[in-house]
Amino acid sequence: QKEVEQNSGPLSVPEGAIASLNCTYSDRVSQSFFWYRQYSGKSPELIMSIYSNGDKEDGRFTAQLNKASQYVSLLIRDSQPSDSATYLCAVNIGSGFGNQFYFGTGTSLTVIP
Amino acid sequence: EPEVTQTPSHQVTQMGQEVILRCVPISNHLYFYWYRQILGQKVEFLVSFYNNEISEKSEIFDDQFSVERPDGSNFTLKIRSTKLEDSAMYFCASRTSGSTDTQYFGPGTRLTVL
Repeated sequence: QKEVEQNSGPLSVPEGAIASLNCTYSDRVSQSFFWYRQYSGKSPELIMSIYSNGDKEDGRFTAQLNKASQYVSLLIRDSQPSDSATYLCAVNIGSGFGNQFYFGTGTSLTVIP
Repeated sequence: EPEVTQTPSHQVTQMGQEVILRCVPISNHLYFYWYRQILGQKVEFLVSFYNNEISEKSEIFDDQFSVERPDGSNFTLKIRSTKLEDSAMYFCASRTSGSTDTQYFGPGTRLTVL
């Protein structure tokens, strides 16, 4: 069973704090990992992709990948109320750039002003 | 900025009826996808499409579902005989070829089966 697991939350952090979102996946050969943000009633919006072990930073967002532990995380620094949304972890199942993408159930984040 | 578009935004149908959901992917993209999201649940992969044929499909994508690229711009999902449990948001996504597989999602079609 190929699965992507996330803590469903809800996660609440005060404005300005760091929000930490976690995701584990079951398929060892997966090569591509994504974080999407989804506001209620809207489509997923790409925040970041990561392909190599280690950290990848983009503005206030940092994705971390550890393939040995089958773990990917997203840190949001200086959290803002506008960051309040559901964050989806997505994994491209299989080696190379295959075409089966699996999503976790999402973590609901609320940033409290 | 180019974006994926989907029509209609909301479709209401009677159980047993056929529906066609339409998508216009970003113009230079070559890979196309359909996902569904039942209210309150996760986004589920249905099917991927490349070079005018299905490249992958999930267990959800049974004989009731079909996809087509009838012309150079549209990408459609057909559900032949809708069931109540087909009620969901359906998202189309597309991506370019090359060394990145980042997908861009359309705004979705909300399908309600009565």
